[in-house]
Amino acid sequence: DIQMTQSPSSLSASVGDRVTITCRASQGISNNLAWYQQKPGKVPKLLIYGASTLQSGVPSRFSGSGSGTDFTLTISSLQPEDVATYFCQKYDSAPRTFGPGTKVDIK
Amino acid sequence: EVQLVESGGGLVQPGGSLGLSCAVSGFTFYTYWMSWVRQAPGKGLEWVANIKQEGSEKNYVDSVKGRFTISRDNAKNSLYLQMNSLRAEDTAVYYCVRGGWFFDYWGQGSLVTVSS
Repeated sequence: DIQMTQSPSSLSASVGDRVTITCRASQGISNNLAWYQQKPGKVPKLLIYGASTLQSGVPSRFSGSGSGTDFTLTISSLQPEDVATYFCQKYDSAPRTFGPGTKVDIK
Repeated sequence: EVQLVESGGGLVQPGGSLGLSCAVSGFTFYTYWMSWVRQAPGKGLEWVANIKQEGSEKNYVDSVKGRFTISRDNAKNSLYLQMNSLRAEDTAVYYCVRGGWFFDYWGQGSLVTVSS
C-alpha cells in the first residue's frame, strides 16, 4: 500500500506568517490528494481536493499544489482561527490513506 | 442542510459485536458513495470502508477485512457498519462521511470503546 507522510509534525508561527505543510506519497498518486482541517474537539473539514481545488466556502488564504508524490498546503497569512491539525489524504485507490497530521498553533 | 447522524456506539468487550447506523438527510443519498472513517483517541484519521451508490462495490482497510461489513439502505437514507470480532485497537470515534474518494461532509461521530 502507498504510505503518506507529512512534515513537519507540528509548527508554531505568528499571525500573518506564511505557513507551508508538506505531504509526500510513497508512490505517485497523480493529483488524487485532499487536505482536511481538524480544529481541537471538532470534526474534520475538507479544505482542498484534486491537490489544488479549494472546497466551497474555504478562505482563499488556503491553497494547495503538487502532483505525483509531493504536495503542499499553504496558508498565506496565518490567522488565529487556523489553529488546527491538518491531514492530507490520498484517494487514487483503496485504501484511502491519511497522512499522520501536522499540528499548527500560534507563536 | 446536509446532515449525517451516527448512532449505535458504546462499550463492548473484546471479541464482541456492535452495529453503527448513520441517518442521512439534505442530499440525494442514493447518488453518492459513502464511507466510514475512524479516529482513535488522540490519534489521526483512518479510512475504514466505502460503498458504492447501489451497494454493489465495497472496499475495506486491511485491518478490518473479514470482521467489518459496510452496507446501506437507500430507501431509508441510511448507512451501516457491522463490526464483529472487535479488538482493543478498534476503539475510536467512527465518522459517517459522504464520498468514496474524498469526504466533503462528516457526521459528529460515534464513540466505540472495546474494553473488558
